[in-house]
Amino acid sequence: AQTVTQSQPEMSVQEAETVTLSCTYDTSENNYYLFWYKQPPSRQMILVIRQEAYKQQNATENRFSVNFQKAAKSFSLKISDSQLGDTAMYFCAFMTGMGNDMRFGAGTRLTVKP
Amino acid sequence: DSGVTQTPKHLITATGQRVTLRCSPRSGDLSVYWYQQSLDQGLQFLIQYYNGEERAKGNILERFSAQQFPDLHSELNLSSLELGDSALYFCASSPTGWSYNEQFFGPGTRLTVL
Repeated sequence: AQTVTQSQPEMSVQEAETVTLSCTYDTSENNYYLFWYKQPPSRQMILVIRQEAYKQQNATENRFSVNFQKAAKSFSLKISDSQLGDTAMYFCAFMTGMGNDMRFGAGTRLTVKP
Repeated sequence: DSGVTQTPKHLITATGQRVTLRCSPRSGDLSVYWYQQSLDQGLQFLIQYYNGEERAKGNILERFSAQQFPDLHSELNLSSLELGDSALYFCASSPTGWSYNEQFFGPGTRLTVL
């Protein structure tokens, strides 16, 4: 069974600083997708970034980038130049290439301090 | 705004009752997913429909059922409600049923069972 682990329940960062959120997963599949979702206080789930396992290049979306280590089954999210609006719960998620059962980690609550 | 709508926003009911949650996917999306977010279980995938047919099942209780109608909207029916069913229920949609497509989440329905 696929599992997703986020070992940091809470983190904080100063505005304009950089923070990294950790995520590890367990799977025997070779074809899969990884995601980071943001859930602000409004509770809306917003896709931040995604990574295809077959791609070696780490995904980047503006201030958000990932460090995808396939052999280590690690998928961390780096947020650069943190902004107050980045304050939210962040969920790491996994989905197999053929499956449709998205598995989520327990989440990391990030607070950006002014 | 993701383009996915869910009604109602909030629902308060009593144990033993039955409720129906409704989801309208983004225009053109054929696949609908249902998720439950609770304090003790986190975010869990419940069920997926694609173009009217059930495609994948997750941790959905037998007391819960869903369907997708010809106009592609979906309903999640929850019966014999228990206190533990109190949660935020999300619907998401994607263009196809395949995992390489991004899932767009609705704002959720908050269910409170008293």
